[in-house]
Amino acid sequence: GAGVSQSPSNKVTEKGKDVELRCDPISGHTALYWYRQSLGQGLEFLIYFQGNSAPDKSGLPSDRFSAERTGGSVSTLTIQRTQQEDSAVYLCASSLDQGSPLHFGNGTRLTVT
Amino acid sequence: AQSVTQLDSQVPVFEEAPVELRCNYSSSVSVYLFWYVQYPNQGLQLLLKYLSGSTLVKGINGFEAEFNKSQTSFHLRKPSVHISDTAEYFCAVSASNNAGNMLTFGGGTRLMVKP
Repeated sequence: GAGVSQSPSNKVTEKGKDVELRCDPISGHTALYWYRQSLGQGLEFLIYFQGNSAPDKSGLPSDRFSAERTGGSVSTLTIQRTQQEDSAVYLCASSLDQGSPLHFGNGTRLTVT
Repeated sequence: AQSVTQLDSQVPVFEEAPVELRCNYSSSVSVYLFWYVQYPNQGLQLLLKYLSGSTLVKGINGFEAEFNKSQTSFHLRKPSVHISDTAEYFCAVSASNNAGNMLTFGGGTRLMVKP
C-alpha cells in the first residue's frame, strides 16, 4: 500500500555529470508526471506519461533532459551534463485516471555544485 | 492553456484565527481545481478538489474552498488555524477535457501560524 516512491531523496553532483532520478508510482496508476520545484518558482511541469508513452514532453527545459517509463510502472528522469540551474527538487506524481488527483512522492533534491 | 495566480506569497496569522488563501485562475475551457499542501521536506498532499457539483468543497484538516466561476477564483479557507497548519499551499488547475490530467500550479502561499 505504499505511495509514490522516489530515489534518491538527495543527490549532490558536480557540474557536467549525468544524473538519473527514479520514480515508483502507486500500483495500478497509469499516469505518471514529473515536476520540478525550484526555490521561489513554484512547480514546473516537465513531462507526463500515459502507460509507457509520453504524449506531452513540452515541459522539458532542454535536450539535456529525458525520461522514460518501462512496463507501465517505474520511470527514470535523466539529466545529462548537469548545470547549476538544474538544482531543484524533482517531484514525481501518479494518478489513476483523468480527474483523479495526483499522488506525489517526497521528491529528489538535486544539488549541482 | 491554463494559468494560476496565488496573490499572496506569505500569509502570517495567529493561532486560532481564521485564514483565507487566495487563488485565481485563467482558462478558456472548463476546469478541475485542487488545493495541495506541502509540509517541510515532503511531497504534496491533496487537501481538496472541485470536479463538479456543489461549489463549496470541504477537505481534510478542516479546510474548505469555494469555486466561483464568475470571478474565476477558488479561495481556500479555514475558520481557526493551528500551529500544525504551517506549510506551503498550492492551488492547481487542470482542463476537464485534458486526457492527461496535467496540473498547472500557482506559485504557492506560505502559511505561517504564530502562537
